[in-house]
Amino acid sequence: GAVVSQHPSRVICKSGTSVKIECRSLDFQATTMFWYRQFPKQSLMLMATSNEGSKATYEQGVEKDKFLINHASLTLSTLTVTSAHPEDSSFYICSARLSGSVFYEQYFGPGTRLTVT
Amino acid sequence: RKEVEQDPGPFNVPEGATVAFNCTYSNSASQSFFWYRQDCRKEPKLLMSVYSSGNEDGRFTAQLNRASQYISLLIRDSKLSDSATYLCVAQGNDYKLSFGAGTTVTVRA
Repeated sequence: GAVVSQHPSRVICKSGTSVKIECRSLDFQATTMFWYRQFPKQSLMLMATSNEGSKATYEQGVEKDKFLINHASLTLSTLTVTSAHPEDSSFYICSARLSGSVFYEQYFGPGTRLTVT
Repeated sequence: RKEVEQDPGPFNVPEGATVAFNCTYSNSASQSFFWYRQDCRKEPKLLMSVYSSGNEDGRFTAQLNRASQYISLLIRDSKLSDSATYLCVAQGNDYKLSFGAGTTVTVRA
């Protein structure tokens, strides 16, 4: 149980285009999902907290107009990188927390490797 | 200052050895702590939660010292499959996770 999927797993796009990444909780409902970014040899950095039915909460320094987050259902959150640039190339990972759980564990998706050329 | 700091290693150990490493966290309000394992170019996977009294899961033992704000992980009888990066994670009461940069462990035959 507690499986999270991401799609696509890998994407290469040209500078200036937009890329949408999907995060799905497959066998549980997730009121809250989180989006992280990881650059090589660095730690995961939280970008934003995605709440079903409401606006996402972005961490300091993350541009909300560039990284659009939509959490339309209890099992799906999407991250759209708009007008992507080479510096946006990174490993994007989502995680989900079980709704109503008293435990704090988060379950991670397999990640999406974005390369902007 | 980073919220969670770890010795990046690498720790190179022979099979069967014991390896231990720590991390420190700066936010005294952190509620929960975890060790995650991350293999190269993969997502983090939860290894174990860390409880105040310390806890053990097979060959893995985690300890939490709230007074000194550090967490430790000890791996006994190391296996080749234990080679990975171990991420120390602190969580606040808002469910947000703060990750350390990871400690790399390489177990050699």
